[in-house]
Amino acid sequence: SAVISQKPSRDICQRGTSLTIQCQVDSQVTMMFWYRQQPGQSLTLIATANQGSEATYESGFVIDKFPISRPNLTFSTLTVSNMSPEDSSIYLCSGSVTSYNEQFFGPGTRLTVL
Amino acid sequence: SQQGEEDPQALSIQEGENATMNCSYKTSINNLQWYRQNSGRGLVHLILIRSNEREKHSGRLRVTLDTSKKSSSLLITASRAADTASYFCATDPRSGGYNKLIFGAGTRLAVHP
Repeated sequence: SAVISQKPSRDICQRGTSLTIQCQVDSQVTMMFWYRQQPGQSLTLIATANQGSEATYESGFVIDKFPISRPNLTFSTLTVSNMSPEDSSIYLCSGSVTSYNEQFFGPGTRLTVL
Repeated sequence: SQQGEEDPQALSIQEGENATMNCSYKTSINNLQWYRQNSGRGLVHLILIRSNEREKHSGRLRVTLDTSKKSSSLLITASRAADTASYFCATDPRSGGYNKLIFGAGTRLAVHP
């Protein structure tokens, strides 16, 4: 398995502001990902965080709204920009640790936008 | 769009009973993984089954995979109140170019004492 931590664990923000979420993984992780889980829904992949280069975004997610950095192998940030109430979700980072893409998740960040 | 569909959407059982959850998917996969989520917290990885495997066990968990039917099942035996959670299947599609996971809608399991 892998040890993955996130902070903050939760936050309440005003619309129009931005929040940066941090994810720290242990050294076993090769790839890192960011997911969103809207209330009562399943997880949707936002992007793959690439070390030292631009993230790879899924359809429906754009860099201007969700800028992602991964300056080294074990750390990544996701920023939710210009927030609206529709951005209220749980944001989770994950890391894969084997060639089988076995992914382990952080505890998530519960974001509420007022 | 989501790869997997799970049924039932919700399941309510008594402690000691077995719980079976099913997952269907649409495209060829490298593997399928099952996760548990308690009360909107992070996901706990339960088990990974590769496309060339048919069954795996881990403690009280038994997972089966039928690639011809594109379906998987998760069986929890002798359930406990602590098993109350949402359970998700996630597939690693064979196409796609990189290691993404696509999640099913999940099954909400309630185990009553």
